Amino acid sequence: GESVGLHLPTLSVQEGDNSIINCAYSNSASDYFIWYKQESGKGPQFIIDIRSNMDKRQGQRVTVLLNKTVKHLSLQIAATQPGDSAVYFCAEKGDDKIIFGKGTRLHILP
Amino acid sequence: DTGVSQDPRHKITKRGQNVTFRCDPISEHNRLYWYRQTLGQGPEFLTYFQNEAQLEKSRLLSDRFSAERPKGSFSTLEIQRTEQGDSAMYLCASRNLAGEAQYFGPGTRLLVL
Repeated sequence: GESVGLHLPTLSVQEGDNSIINCAYSNSASDYFIWYKQESGKGPQFIIDIRSNMDKRQGQRVTVLLNKTVKHLSLQIAATQPGDSAVYFCAEKGDDKIIFGKGTRLHILP
Repeated sequence: DTGVSQDPRHKITKRGQNVTFRCDPISEHNRLYWYRQTLGQGPEFLTYFQNEAQLEKSRLLSDRFSAERPKGSFSTLEIQRTEQGDSAMYLCASRNLAGEAQYFGPGTRLLVL
């Protein structure tokens, strides 16, 4: 079936360090993945996406890596800032809906 | 601001009352989606529209829930005879058929007392 999940519910990172948030998915037929950032009281904010025919995609301070062999997805945030504090969801496209995992809360330590 | 907007942002109601939420998608986005999010969980799909046609409904969408998009622009989600278990954040998203990404609104937080 379709499901996505993150390895850790909480991640604490020192300000200025790089953050790596991991995600495993189960549907080997999934062809499109998205990372969303959700701040408290707000809707999910699109960060970056990747199709299954790619293994890496870079944005501004963010990189998404896709390993289809082990069905693993990761989000790397460079030089983590206080404004990066949020819950991060990996998600996959199933038919035409987005299937979300439970999320990882990223804490930024001063 | 040309993003997805939702109204109201917060709603408190008593059990048994009806509530209606509105979503205005990004202009010219053909597809509009409704999701529900409970505390500590990711959003769960409820239903979606392409223009005015409702194409899919989740089994989460009980017969007390109804969604419309009469003119293919804004959409409404109505919950009849609300129950305490309906308390959640209701999120709307939209996308253009040319792209894959769905863009979310700020949500309507519902509390049923």
